[in-house]
Amino acid sequence: GAVVSQHPSRVICKSGTSVKIECRSLDFQATTMFWYRQFPKQSLMLMATSNEGSKATYEQGVEKDKFLINHASLTLSTLTVTSAHPEDSSFYICSASDRGRYEQYFGPGTRLTVT
Amino acid sequence: QQQVKQSPQSLIVQKGGISIINCAYENTAFDYFPWYQQFPGKGPALLIAIRPDVSEKKEGRFTISFNKSAKQFSLHIMDSQPGDSATYFCAATDPYSGAQKLVFGQGTRLTINP
Repeated sequence: GAVVSQHPSRVICKSGTSVKIECRSLDFQATTMFWYRQFPKQSLMLMATSNEGSKATYEQGVEKDKFLINHASLTLSTLTVTSAHPEDSSFYICSASDRGRYEQYFGPGTRLTVT
Repeated sequence: QQQVKQSPQSLIVQKGGISIINCAYENTAFDYFPWYQQFPGKGPALLIAIRPDVSEKKEGRFTISFNKSAKQFSLHIMDSQPGDSATYFCAATDPYSGAQKLVFGQGTRLTINP
């Protein structure tokens, strides 16, 4: 149980275009979803937290107009990187948790490369 | 401000040995302490977690030791195997953060030599 999927696993896009990453909880209701960014050999950096049906809460320093997050259902959250630039290239990982539970379950990650 | 400090940064252990990774925290409001295992190019996987009302939790070859007074907790991997080679992250949750956000340590790259 507690499986979280992400799609796509890898994406290459040109500078200036937008990219959408999907995160799905497959066997539980994800009342809260989190989006992280991870640079090589570094720890996970929380970008934003979203609750189903509510606006996302962004961490300090994360541009909410650049990283659009939608959590429209209890099983799906999306992250859209708008007007991507090479510095946005990174490993993006989502996680999900059920209401009232501490456990966060992570997706397999999406490798974004902006050329 | 780094709220969870993890050490060592890297660790090499012989097959069959015990791997020990340590974490220290400052925020006494933290009340949930998970460990995650991450393989290259993959997302972190929840390994084992502990609440501060117990001093030890064991699941198979993995044990968390928790010292509330010292504000420290550690992961012990018994009979370490080459398949355990991965990066391990400790984390902590502040229940007053509103969304039970995880604060991660810096990570430990564990290598088990065959």
